[in-house]
Amino acid sequence: DGGITQSPKYLFRKEGQNVTLSCEQNLNHDAMYWYRQDPGQGLRLIYYSQIVNDFQKGDIAEGYSVSREKKESFPLTVTSAQKNPTAFYLCASSTRGQLNTYEQYFGPGTRLTVT
Amino acid sequence: GNSVTQMEGPVTLSEEAFLTINCTYTATGYPSLFWYVQYPGEGLQLLLKATKADDKGSNKGFEATYRKETTSFHLEKGSVQVSDSAVYFCALSPNSGGYQKVTFGIGTKLQVIP
Repeated sequence: DGGITQSPKYLFRKEGQNVTLSCEQNLNHDAMYWYRQDPGQGLRLIYYSQIVNDFQKGDIAEGYSVSREKKESFPLTVTSAQKNPTAFYLCASSTRGQLNTYEQYFGPGTRLTVT
Repeated sequence: GNSVTQMEGPVTLSEEAFLTINCTYTATGYPSLFWYVQYPGEGLQLLLKATKADDKGSNKGFEATYRKETTSFHLEKGSVQVSDSAVYFCALSPNSGGYQKVTFGIGTKLQVIP
């Protein structure tokens, strides 16, 4: 089955530790994205990548880092510099469709709790 | 810039009631419009889409019509079920050269009671 996998589903870390969230897709999509979801704030874009070895900051990139060494993989590192890291993190991918439309497909999410 | 406006909710309905969740947008040109659904603890799933004015997207009894004149894409369902309880996100994708990010609304929580 084609899709996006995120692991783990739940992640617990102590304050001051970096943590890496995994995202893998087998949809052969060029573009991948990371969003953060907090109650009452919808989705906020952290980073996105349109092609391998290239990525751009989204709206809330501070305290996060990414890499895109393979088309299938787009891991997100939450660093100790991120002030409020506890959140639900969603990975998505897309290909450019007709009319230059970017229809996104989402993974199941990772809930990160930092104490 | 682009924006999507929808009520946060929660919207509480009895089973078999009629559902409308309003969505209006601001964008230049002719964006594509989407509704996504998120069940508790899960990621977003594409529910339906429309790519040009007057298009109607439909899926699983839900439908929405792309209204350019009112810049709206309201989600409707004739008879909701308890299993429809979820958060619904309206979104737009600009269709103008090069990559532009998808803009999401804040999400509307729907609660259907038996």
